[in-house]
Amino acid sequence: DAGITQSPRHKVTETGTPVTLRCHQTENHRYMYWYRQDPGHGLRLIHYSYGVKDTDKGEVSDGYSVSRSKTEDFLLTLESATSSQTSVYFCAISDSWGQSAEQYFGPGTRLTVT
Amino acid sequence: GIQVEQSPPDLILQEGANSTLRCNFSDSVNNLQWFHQNPWGQLINLFYIPSGTKQNGRLSATTVATERYSLLYISSSQTTDSGVYFCAVTWGKLQFGAGTQVVVTP
Repeated sequence: DAGITQSPRHKVTETGTPVTLRCHQTENHRYMYWYRQDPGHGLRLIHYSYGVKDTDKGEVSDGYSVSRSKTEDFLLTLESATSSQTSVYFCAISDSWGQSAEQYFGPGTRLTVT
Repeated sequence: GIQVEQSPPDLILQEGANSTLRCNFSDSVNNLQWFHQNPWGQLINLFYIPSGTKQNGRLSATTVATERYSLLYISSSQTTDSGVYFCAVTWGKLQFGAGTQVVVTP
């Protein structure tokens, strides 16, 4: 199994509070991704990173920001959590980009915003 | 963007049965992955199969890229095969299908 951990694994927070989710990898892969999974929508890309301090938006990036200060860590921040951000969040990694990339997923973080 | 369609959406199997899951995609791709999401939510890589056929135990997969489809075969199903099976293609970024929910009953 790819060495990917996510923390916390479960979190309940209140509307309007900031939340940061962490993804940590031990594979030294260049590319990292954040997805959310919701019933009826499958997995959707929030943000991704193609190197330290290099990030870009995915298809559902509104309300989220990311940072990557080290190869091994990719942080997802909800500046002011809303109930619509209740979801399961997955981090993924790959060692290449685009059509040759095989992605590996972390265990997920279940976030509930009340 | 690329469309990824999986069928059937749901599948109920008796233990020991065989089954075939299908993934169709709307454009040429050079990358296709199959994942299993177990009942605990973990996403497990099954196959990275841009073309051809691969086998891993009771599971095998075939991708015919020129005809834009991939098949996942489950043979002699076990209750531990229950969960959701996703195919995903890379077309710029990874695009997932909606999944096939599989329930294997004893």
